[in-house]
Amino acid sequence: GAGVSQSPSNKVTEKGKDVELRCDPISGHTALYWYRQRLGQGLEFLIYFQGNSAPDKSGLPSDRFSAERTGESVSTLTIQRTQQEDSAVYLCASSLKLSLNADTQYFGPGTRLTVL
Amino acid sequence: AQSVTQLGSHVSVSEGALVLLRCNYSSSVPPYLFWYVQYPNQGLQLLLKYTSAATLVKGINGFEAEFKKSETSFHLTKPSAHMSDAAEYFCAVSPSGSARQLTFGSGTQLTVLP
Repeated sequence: GAGVSQSPSNKVTEKGKDVELRCDPISGHTALYWYRQRLGQGLEFLIYFQGNSAPDKSGLPSDRFSAERTGESVSTLTIQRTQQEDSAVYLCASSLKLSLNADTQYFGPGTRLTVL
Repeated sequence: AQSVTQLGSHVSVSEGALVLLRCNYSSSVPPYLFWYVQYPNQGLQLLLKYTSAATLVKGINGFEAEFKKSETSFHLTKPSAHMSDAAEYFCAVSPSGSARQLTFGSGTQLTVLP
């Protein structure tokens, strides 16, 4: 079956513009996660969804960042009034469910965002 | 709270030599530990995970890792490097009982020399 897909693969935008990043999880996966990977750094957790609910938004860097999910499918991560420090690869992952057994998270290829 | 430290941002080994990528963690609760690999222009792929069963965990592509609580380590090894192992490797930790959030190390770029 298809893996996690993300679009666009690359996005170049000007400072101050809004951007929307999309993630299509693996079909049937109820949990969805967003991470950010800055150049030369590890992954930084942003937010997760269980179904369309996001109980923990503490990882979002600022109020310019928001995310939503439609049911147990597509999620969008929106960054308003982009800043140069937002430049990074944004990774999405999904897992079968939130569980006590550390369900494997499957990652998409990421969206490389460059803010000029 | 948890954190992960990967010693060595770049490691080079010769083809056929032992691969050793180091990972140390800190966690306030018993952890789950993971190693992911990222090939160029590809997404992260799970190599192996430790979830409090056997301390020696075998993963894909001949990799394995040993959980050592006394050393708070989860180093990744492979007896004989192959050219195709060249990639970036990430160690990650999550608190046991939760799959919600992975905390990642900064990654180790493995180069395999012919």
